[in-house]
Amino acid sequence: GAVVSQHPSRVICKSGTSVKIECRSLDFQATTMFWYRQFPKQSLMLMATSNEGSKATYEQGVEKDKFLINHASLTLSTLTVTSAHPEDSSFYICRGRETGTGDPSNQPQHFGDGTRLSIL
Amino acid sequence: GQQVMQIPQYQHVQEGEDFTTYCNSSTTLSNIQWYKQRPGGHPVFLIQLVKSGEVKKQKRLTFQFGEAKKNSSLHITATQTTDVGTYFCAGSTGFQKLVFGTGTRLLVSP
Repeated sequence: GAVVSQHPSRVICKSGTSVKIECRSLDFQATTMFWYRQFPKQSLMLMATSNEGSKATYEQGVEKDKFLINHASLTLSTLTVTSAHPEDSSFYICRGRETGTGDPSNQPQHFGDGTRLSIL
Repeated sequence: GQQVMQIPQYQHVQEGEDFTTYCNSSTTLSNIQWYKQRPGGHPVFLIQLVKSGEVKKQKRLTFQFGEAKKNSSLHITATQTTDVGTYFCAGSTGFQKLVFGTGTRLLVSP
């Protein structure tokens, strides 16, 4: 089945560091990439939606300048957490939507394995 | 905006007992998905339901999608310790934005 490769799986870094997370679709073209964040013992919250070649759409309350999303190709989307602080520590996970015809409700869902970010 | 609530938040059962989690959306959904997340892990896709009133089974797991396509349930028969984890429903509208439910954490004691 289709796979989304997400790297790194775990990051521990100092406050003020910028961290880049990559999601690559390995055998399909992801025209849309969704980025989620999950705090401990909470649900996954959608942060932003990116479409290849255009600017990302951010959910209410998510800072655009803090979480930079780039979706320059159909197989690669990146999320950069700029000047990360301890409150940004979370589990970040991407989901790629495959280009296809037919009923959109039947489109396969492809999640990355997630990135656990810890800011000291 | 769209909200997806799950009940209960937490359930502790003895191995062999049944378990059910309920999912309710504030809006009509085009489809609903279910995920299982083990502690420290990432959500793992279980199933997708698309049709009104649809019922699907996977071994001991039974999934239902409500007639109005606003609610769903997951029922586990005769739980096992391997069923431990948090179960999330996730609803999608026509724009493919997947909104996750609040989750139900299941603990199974041997």
